[in-house]
Amino acid sequence: GAGVSQSPSNKVTEKGKDVELRCDPISGHTALYWYRQSLGQGLEFLIYFQGNSAPDKSGLPSDRFSAERTGGSVSTLTIQRTQQEDSAVYLCASSSDRGIYNEQFFGPGTRLTVL
Amino acid sequence: AQSVAQPEDQVNVAEGNPLTVKCTYSVSGNPYLFWYVQYPNRGLQFLLKYITGDNLVKGSYGFEAEFNKSQTSFHLKKPSALVSDSALYFCAVRDMNNGAGTALIFGKGTTLSVSS
Repeated sequence: GAGVSQSPSNKVTEKGKDVELRCDPISGHTALYWYRQSLGQGLEFLIYFQGNSAPDKSGLPSDRFSAERTGGSVSTLTIQRTQQEDSAVYLCASSSDRGIYNEQFFGPGTRLTVL
Repeated sequence: AQSVAQPEDQVNVAEGNPLTVKCTYSVSGNPYLFWYVQYPNRGLQFLLKYITGDNLVKGSYGFEAEFNKSQTSFHLKKPSALVSDSALYFCAVRDMNNGAGTALIFGKGTTLSVSS
C-alpha cells in the first residue's frame, strides 16, 4: 500500500518568504507527526496531531511555525518569514491509533533551503 | 530529562562479520525503544522496537536488538553484515512529555559502513 508522501521533495526559498510543506499520511492512520532533521540539532519533534484533538505544538521552535491537519488526513506545515536557520529536512510520520506502542512510518521528507 | 545516546558516530565492519551499533537511554518509567534506518535521500524506515517482554527483539532485514535494563542499553546487532546494510541508524525512545507521550526522541545517529 501507499506510504507517507510529502511534497515538495525540495524547496529553495529566499529569506523572509513563507513556505508550505505538505504531508499525506497512510490512509487510516490517526496520529501524524512533524519532525525536523538538521545537521546541528539532529532529529527534533515539532508537532503532533491525533484525530480531531487539539494538536500538541510543544516542539515548534517559534511562532513563525504553524501546522494544520484537514479532515484528519492531509497536513500542511507553514513557515512564515523563513530564516536561514530554518534550512533542514522536514519529515512527516504517521501511526495507527494513538501511537504509543506502534511504530511511526516516515515520509521521504522535504529538504528546505533558505537562501 | 529523557535522552538517547549513540556513542559512535561511525561503525566500520567487513562484510560477513557481526555488527553492533550502540545505544543507551535515560527515561523515567518504562522505556519504549525503537531502531530506524535511513538510506540516502530517503525517510526513516522502522527496524524494530522494544515495548515489553523478551529482551532480545528481532526485526527487519535480519537485525535484532538486546534490551538491557541494568545497563540502560538497547544495542542493535546483526550476525553477518551486508554491504547493503551501509546506512545511517537511529535509536529512539518514546518521549513521555511530548506528543501525548508518543513523540520520539532520537539519538544523533550512527553511520554504518560495511566494506566488501
